[in-house]
Amino acid sequence: AQSVTQPDIHITVSEGASLELRCNYSYGATPYLFWYVQSPGQGLQLLLKYFSGDTLVQGIKGFEAEFKRSQSSFNLRKPSVHWSDAAEYFCAGIYSSASKIIFGSGTRLSIRP
Amino acid sequence: SQTIHQWPATLVQPVGSPLSLECTVEGTSNPNLYWYRQAAGRGLQLLFYSVGIGQISSEVPQNLSASRPQDRQFILSSKKLLLSDSGFYLCAWSRRVGSNQPQHFGDGTRLSIL
Repeated sequence: AQSVTQPDIHITVSEGASLELRCNYSYGATPYLFWYVQSPGQGLQLLLKYFSGDTLVQGIKGFEAEFKRSQSSFNLRKPSVHWSDAAEYFCAGIYSSASKIIFGSGTRLSIRP
Repeated sequence: SQTIHQWPATLVQPVGSPLSLECTVEGTSNPNLYWYRQAAGRGLQLLFYSVGIGQISSEVPQNLSASRPQDRQFILSSKKLLLSDSGFYLCAWSRRVGSNQPQHFGDGTRLSIL
């Protein structure tokens, strides 16, 4: 079955440290991939998207993600996190055969002062 | 630019009361529209989606219903709320053209059932 998996439920990093949030999609046809961020009590905001082409995608708020077909992964990165980055992050994919967006279960990011 | 509005932002309702949550989109035409529920500490559950006026698909059988009376208006309703209906409800839209369109979300409605 088509799926998007976020292996980490909760991650804590120190302010100023680098960040990598993991996302894996089910093996097979490559979906269109997205990362969203949700601040407490808010809706989801689109950070970046990958359709094809360059495997390193730049997004808003200093985030980037790298698509790796060999690992079926689309990990989100940021070189230096800020306290305002504390939020829930969702990876999502659209498989053309399904035409519906499939969300991962989310990773909660906490920032250590 | 496109915007999506949800209201109310918060709602406290007694068990057995009716519900109506509204969502409207501006700045685009013929959007796909979606209702999600997010239980505390959990991911997103797709409840309904619509590809046009009067066209509603239900993903999960439940106590809720959805309607789309106008192109850019999507309403989530219930005749009698249950305790299990508590949660954070999110409306979203996407462009209908192409299968690779991301969804864009409203700010959500926090629903508490007493």
